[in-house]
Amino acid sequence: EVQLVESGGGLVKPGGSLRLSCAASGFSFFNYVMNWVRQAPGKGLEWVSSVSSSSGSTYYADSVRGRFTISRDTAKNSLFLQMNSLRAEDTAVYYCVRSPGWSFDFWGQGTLVTVSS
Amino acid sequence: EIVLTQSPGTLSLSPGERATLSCRASQSVSTSFLAWYQQKPGQAPRLLMYATSSRATGIPARFSGSGSGTDFTLTISRLEPEDFALYYCQQYGSSPSPMYTFGQGTKVEIK
Repeated sequence: EVQLVESGGGLVKPGGSLRLSCAASGFSFFNYVMNWVRQAPGKGLEWVSSVSSSSGSTYYADSVRGRFTISRDTAKNSLFLQMNSLRAEDTAVYYCVRSPGWSFDFWGQGTLVTVSS
Repeated sequence: EIVLTQSPGTLSLSPGERATLSCRASQSVSTSFLAWYQQKPGQAPRLLMYATSSRATGIPARFSGSGSGTDFTLTISRLEPEDFALYYCQQYGSSPSPMYTFGQGTKVEIK
């Protein structure tokens, strides 16, 4: 069974940092592009970042480029999102998501990040 | 950046009725790159359709997708009680760099 379990969310002050983790199991992690997608409270979905299966390529939404860094540890079947210089508008549930191609086929349950003073 | 606009914002229907959800793109989208998701309150989204018209694993046949170019449609032939939810379309684009965008969502509510 495919499982994606996020952790690391919480309350952080504006300008602060947070590192999200996602533990993957039940599939060949190294074969898939992995992503972070977020959803602000009561709002729609926003793609944040993707990392290729080989970690050779990373991609970011304009809203987070230069502040967030995506990475993966294939040996540990884990995905990460380092978030720096956090802003109030980064407040959201962050989902770890698998991509078999051009869509998102498995989603974790999400971890809530709240940026507030 | 391609913008996806979903309509209507809310669809009020009764169980057994047909639901037709629209997703319009600001530029042409390859049919390979258009997907639909369902989200229920407090839950993560679930993939319904990929490549415009292919049902994801476990998705019932009452869900179908169609379209090309800038106009795409998700149809639910006969609404079941569990189908009342939020629906999002999503596209993948590669210019100038790979990125994904979502529509703002359509809520299907019980009339």
